[in-house]
Amino acid sequence: QVQLQESGPGLVKPSETLSLTCTVSGGSINSGGYYWTWIRQHPGKGLEWIGYIYWSGSTYYNPSLKRRVTISIDTSNNEFSLKLSSVTAADTAVYYCARDHARNWFDLWGQGTLVTVSS
Amino acid sequence: QSVLTQPPSVSGAPGQRVTISCTGSSSNIGAGYDVHWYQHLAGTAPKLLIHGNTNRPSGVPDRFSGSKSGTSASLAITGLQAEDEADYYCQSYDSSLDAYVFGSGTKVTVL
Repeated sequence: QVQLQESGPGLVKPSETLSLTCTVSGGSINSGGYYWTWIRQHPGKGLEWIGYIYWSGSTYYNPSLKRRVTISIDTSNNEFSLKLSSVTAADTAVYYCARDHARNWFDLWGQGTLVTVSS
Repeated sequence: QSVLTQPPSVSGAPGQRVTISCTGSSSNIGAGYDVHWYQHLAGTAPKLLIHGNTNRPSGVPDRFSGSKSGTSASLAITGLQAEDEADYYCQSYDSSLDAYVFGSGTKVTVL
């Protein structure tokens, strides 16, 4: 079965760039109809959709984060990545990667990784 | 502040029925966009419970059911079990924000 696993630094300094990778196992990231997504959850708060990428490389970002977000895909290694620039303490959150079914619902999620922004 | 409003908590005794509401507006649920529900236990991957307002993925017990009407949706859990104690989130799309949006989350406690 398909599984997703986030990886990356758990601590990032203010003004720097947060970088995370999501490795997809048990299935191909090239599967049509799925959009590979990043979602985050601030401590004690609700969930916030960050954006997605299709296997072809086309992307769509949350307008509230668009200026700072880049999502890329590496089909040869079956993984996709998130970069969030100019981070502040407000970007401290648990970051999840997920699989978006046909730009509708999220049918698979990773376990999440906590990223803390602090000097 | 979440675009979709849920009660912070609901509780019930084992075997009882509880419902969780998800209230939106004319730019999301009221515009006809589907509502989906997720179950989340801390430290684990969130799990899809209901998609397309009423549909259960394979493996989800039929104790979970979803409905939608107007600008709101609901998740019902019948025959409440201890293992249902978790956080539950609704999700839809908002055309004004041009983004997927989530509810504020509801903690279900089994008494």
